[in-house]
Amino acid sequence: DTGVTQSPTHLIKTRGQQVTLRCSPISGHKSVSWYQQVLGQGPQFIFQYYEKEERGRGNFPDRFSARQFPNYSSELNVNALLLGDSALYLCASSFSRIQETQYFGPGTRLLVL
Amino acid sequence: AQSVSQHNHHVILSEAASLELGCNYSYGGTVNLFWYVQYPGQHLQLLLKYFSGDPLVKGIKGFEAEFIKSKFSFNLRKPSVQWSDTAEYFCAVIRGILTGGGNKLTFGTGTQLKVEL
Repeated sequence: DTGVTQSPTHLIKTRGQQVTLRCSPISGHKSVSWYQQVLGQGPQFIFQYYEKEERGRGNFPDRFSARQFPNYSSELNVNALLLGDSALYLCASSFSRIQETQYFGPGTRLLVL
Repeated sequence: AQSVSQHNHHVILSEAASLELGCNYSYGGTVNLFWYVQYPGQHLQLLLKYFSGDPLVKGIKGFEAEFIKSKFSFNLRKPSVQWSDTAEYFCAVIRGILTGGGNKLTFGTGTQLKVEL
């Protein structure tokens, strides 16, 4: 049984560049959420998508955007990268939209130089 | 500010010692509560969860947690830790539907547990 998968595993970018991170949920899961984990802190909620629509947004600037595809996979885009965007980006999937257990992928570690 | 607090940032125990990690949240109303664990080099895994019913919940690997509503707490316990329990532990909360929780997990800052042989 395949869990949540994310790509790439690691990424190095420079300030001002743009990055796209990808996530495939567990088979049958329709909800994907994105979290940012900065070193020494717990993950912070960025977005939730369900049935291709945004269902929740955390306190992140408009430089962060996401989308969900018909196969329920998702992409997280970050524009105009800042040094402070360096973090582990986690994707989590769940079957439904609310009050559900979320299962996490291994994350994409982004370093912005 | 509404948040999830984990008071112990670093805990060092010897094998066979008992463990209790504190977690408090500041949301009113209904909540769903989780403990996740991150072993070295691995991704976040669900340890246990509380949605409703018996406030004492049992999870994997001998862990348990007790929900005390009056204290807004959901402390994690294990009677006898093993070296393999060395990991980072995160408490997380989803607020109830009526308070706009959706499926947003709010995490504590984590507790790094080191178990020595």
